[in-house]
Amino acid sequence: NAGVMQNPRHLVRRRGQEARLRCSPMKGHSHVYWYRQLPEEGLKFMVYLQKENIIDESGMPKERFSAEFPKEGPSILRIQQVVRGDSAAYFCASSRGQGDEQFFGPGTRLTVL
Amino acid sequence: GEDVEQSLFLSVREGDSSVINCTYTDSSSTYLYWYKQEPGAGLQLLTYIFSNMDMKQDQRLTVLLNKKDKHLSLRIADTQTGDSAIYFCAEGMDSSYKLIFGSGTRLLVRP
Repeated sequence: NAGVMQNPRHLVRRRGQEARLRCSPMKGHSHVYWYRQLPEEGLKFMVYLQKENIIDESGMPKERFSAEFPKEGPSILRIQQVVRGDSAAYFCASSRGQGDEQFFGPGTRLTVL
Repeated sequence: GEDVEQSLFLSVREGDSSVINCTYTDSSSTYLYWYKQEPGAGLQLLTYIFSNMDMKQDQRLTVLLNKKDKHLSLRIADTQTGDSAIYFCAEGMDSSYKLIFGSGTRLLVRP
């Protein structure tokens, strides 16, 4: 029973490029959450999605960031025109239902040069 | 406001007990969680406590909650080198999906 999978595990981008982070939830889970962890800080909620719907994106910057969770395939967090301040670990979690225990993936560590 | 605070670092000798502390500000929190993060890995839920409890024990782990002072602690008995990791406390509201995390306490266990 595979856990939450994220890829890539490490991603290096130059300023101005795009970053695409993928998350496959646990089997049977249709709720996905993205969190960002800046160095020396805790995780901060970004966005909550169910299949094909964004439920809450209140923690996501309005510019350059977008997220989707299509009917088929993984959830994608997309960051356009990356800047150095986007360097962080991005964690995805999934749950069976809203308010249920969230299971976390290993994270994608994004480095912007 | 929502804020969860933890001390940054704790070093203990193998076999000793570790106590990791956390304070939170939102009195409407329903659940308080402890997560463990090993190097390069995601967060693993260790234990949680409902806000109407003041203690929970699970094998080597003891969670104490002082709701009046909004203080949460995690005690690890007989700490082992495999316990070396970053420990996060987090608060959540009933049926809410948003977890509010502290900045984590790095536990180093010396042989």
